[in-house]
Amino acid sequence: ELKVEQNPLFLSMQEGKNYTIYCNYSTTSDRLYWYRQDPGKSLESLFVLLSNGAVKQEGRLMASLDTKARLSTLHITAAVHDLSATYFCAVTGTMEYGNKLVFGAGTILRVKS
Amino acid sequence: GAGVSQSPSNKVTEKGKDVELRCDPISGHTALYWYRQSLGQGLEFLIYFQGNSAPDKSGLPSDRFSAERTGGSVSTLTIQRTQQEDSAVYLCASSLEWAGGFSSSYEQYFGPGTRLTVT
Repeated sequence: ELKVEQNPLFLSMQEGKNYTIYCNYSTTSDRLYWYRQDPGKSLESLFVLLSNGAVKQEGRLMASLDTKARLSTLHITAAVHDLSATYFCAVTGTMEYGNKLVFGAGTILRVKS
Repeated sequence: GAGVSQSPSNKVTEKGKDVELRCDPISGHTALYWYRQSLGQGLEFLIYFQGNSAPDKSGLPSDRFSAERTGGSVSTLTIQRTQQEDSAVYLCASSLEWAGGFSSSYEQYFGPGTRLTVT
C-alpha cells in the first residue's frame, strides 16, 4: 500500500527565514506533486516532479525529488506572509488504474510578520 | 469552461437523506477523479473515471456511495442514506490523460469542492 508522510505537520516561521518541508513515500512512484491550499479553497497545483533529480522553482518555493530515497522536499526561501497556507505532497500509485493521488497529511505553514 | 466546476458549493442535509454532487470537468479532459477531504481522514481518493467507465472504485467507503459519468463529461457522485461521518468536502479533479497513452504530467486540476454537512 502506498503511503505518504509529510513533516512537519505544522510550521510557524518568521518572515525572511528559510525552511524545508519533507515528503516521504513508501513505494516506487514516478510522479510527485505539490499542492497549496488556502483556507476554504481548493487545491492549487504548485509543482509536478517526474524524474529522479528533478528540481523546480517558482518564486520563493523550490521542490526537488529523489526517487531512490523516495523523498521530495519543498524549500521555502525568505518566507513572506503570503506563503501562509497548507501544503500537500501527493504521489501517484500504479499506472494500471489511472493516476489516483495518495496525499500526505499536509503541512500548515504560518509565516509571522 | 475555464476550470473544473462543482455544484452545489455547500449542501446541508439531514441524516438518512440522499444527496447528489455534480462535477463538470475541464473540456476535453478524459480522466475524472473524486476525492474527499475531512478532518479525520485527510484527502482520500474515492473513484476514477476514464471516459464513462470507472476502472477504479476502490476508494468508495461503502455501497451507499456511487458515481456515474455520462458523455465523457459531467459526473455525479451520489450518497444514499447519508450519515454524519459523510460530512466532508468532496473534491473533483480532471486530467488530460488517456488509457494506454502518455501525458507528460497527468496533472490533475481540482474544482472548488462541495462542502457536505450531514446533521
